[in-house]
Amino acid sequence: DTEVTQTPKHLVMGMTNKKSLKCEQHMGHRAMYWYKQKAKKPPELMFVYSYEKLSINESVPSRFSPECPNSSLLNLHLHALQPEDSALYLCASSQGALARGWRAGTEAFFGQGTRLTVV
Amino acid sequence: GENVEQHPSTLSVQEGDSAVIKCTYSDSASNYFPWYKQELGKGPQLIIDIRSNVGEKKDQRIAVTLNKTAKHFSLHITETQPEDSAVYFCAASSPGGSQGNLIFGKGTKLSVKP
Repeated sequence: DTEVTQTPKHLVMGMTNKKSLKCEQHMGHRAMYWYKQKAKKPPELMFVYSYEKLSINESVPSRFSPECPNSSLLNLHLHALQPEDSALYLCASSQGALARGWRAGTEAFFGQGTRLTVV
Repeated sequence: GENVEQHPSTLSVQEGDSAVIKCTYSDSASNYFPWYKQELGKGPQLIIDIRSNVGEKKDQRIAVTLNKTAKHFSLHITETQPEDSAVYFCAASSPGGSQGNLIFGKGTKLSVKP
């Protein structure tokens, strides 16, 4: 099983709303990631969690707040977003990770993403 | 840091033909090169990968080749089918250092015409 499950699949929120994206994997992976993908672009790394600790924050605005409650779950809390934050948000996981990212040569598996629209 | 260039950006082939997508990377320390297929509205799906100690890897109609000296790697799809139509991303990963995560190419939109 190489499944990473993300919920919800679609989300529309106003600029004053607070919402959360959820990600779950049961592969025993110890590294989990949030990516943002705009249309016709490759995924851009936002956050990396290694062994449930935040190891990389790619200068993401504080209106995005990640959380890793346990080794299987990863959340992304959203607050006061802007229309330009509308994108596909992808979660990924991999077996190993160094403090600065995953151990080279480790397969990473992506979820299906949450299509976020900020109105 | 690592930089990955991917070509072409779009590729149209007739069903049954072969398709080749090429990527170059800049960091000679990179040692893992996955390829992802992304269909419309879905997340990237890992389809094949290669490590720097291997020159070629094949899985049914898909193959990847790596030339470490020239720092480029390629995806080959033979006997293409309409369901191969998607955006394909190459990526490179360097061990540790300041990155240690995947650097993606800009993607290739492959269209297979029936």
